[in-house]
Amino acid sequence: ELKVEQNPLFLSMQEGKNYTIYCNYSTTSDRLYWYRQDPGKSLESLFVLLSNGAVKQEGRLMASLDTKARLSTLHITAAVHDLSATYFCAVTYAGGTSYGKLTFGQGTILTVHP
Amino acid sequence: DADVTQTPRNRITKTGKRIMLECSQTKGHDRMYWYRQDPGLGLRLIYYSFDVKDINKGEISDGYSVSRQAQAKFSLSLESAIPNQTALYFCATSDFAFQTSGDHNEQFFGPGTRLTVL
Repeated sequence: ELKVEQNPLFLSMQEGKNYTIYCNYSTTSDRLYWYRQDPGKSLESLFVLLSNGAVKQEGRLMASLDTKARLSTLHITAAVHDLSATYFCAVTYAGGTSYGKLTFGQGTILTVHP
Repeated sequence: DADVTQTPRNRITKTGKRIMLECSQTKGHDRMYWYRQDPGLGLRLIYYSFDVKDINKGEISDGYSVSRQAQAKFSLSLESAIPNQTALYFCATSDFAFQTSGDHNEQFFGPGTRLTVL
């Protein structure tokens, strides 16, 4: 059974600071996704990471994937209030009839303070 | 117009009632999914459908059923609602692709339905 764990689950940051959210998963996977969810809203896709060593950046967010360590990171640079949201990682199981199913982490609630 | 729509957006019902949540999409995707979200648990897959004739149970299907009426429509039913089914429910769609370049089976989510069972 594929399990996905994020840490921390709660993150309170000051504006201007840097921090990293970690996503560990338990079995082989070939794709990892990061989503953002604002309170009361739907999920918005941030990044899709398709291979070992993949790195993607968008604004103050950078995501990376290490398939050997089964670890993805979401790095936040110089946080601003607008980044306050819940961030989820999700992983697909590689192969078989489960191809395409997503297993989600618990989510990390990020709050950025002035 | 939104690509993935869900109705209703909010629903309050009583224990034992039958409830149907509906999902429609205009993205032309073959694959559709139903998830529930509970605080601290992330999203958990209830059912998924890879095409009109394909229905599969997810990790928490007990107490739920689904119907794929057409490529664009996927409904979730609670035959006899109970309070621990109170949650936020999301429908999602994706397009199937084996290739790692270009399209990559990314899932697109609807706005969600907040269901409260009293």
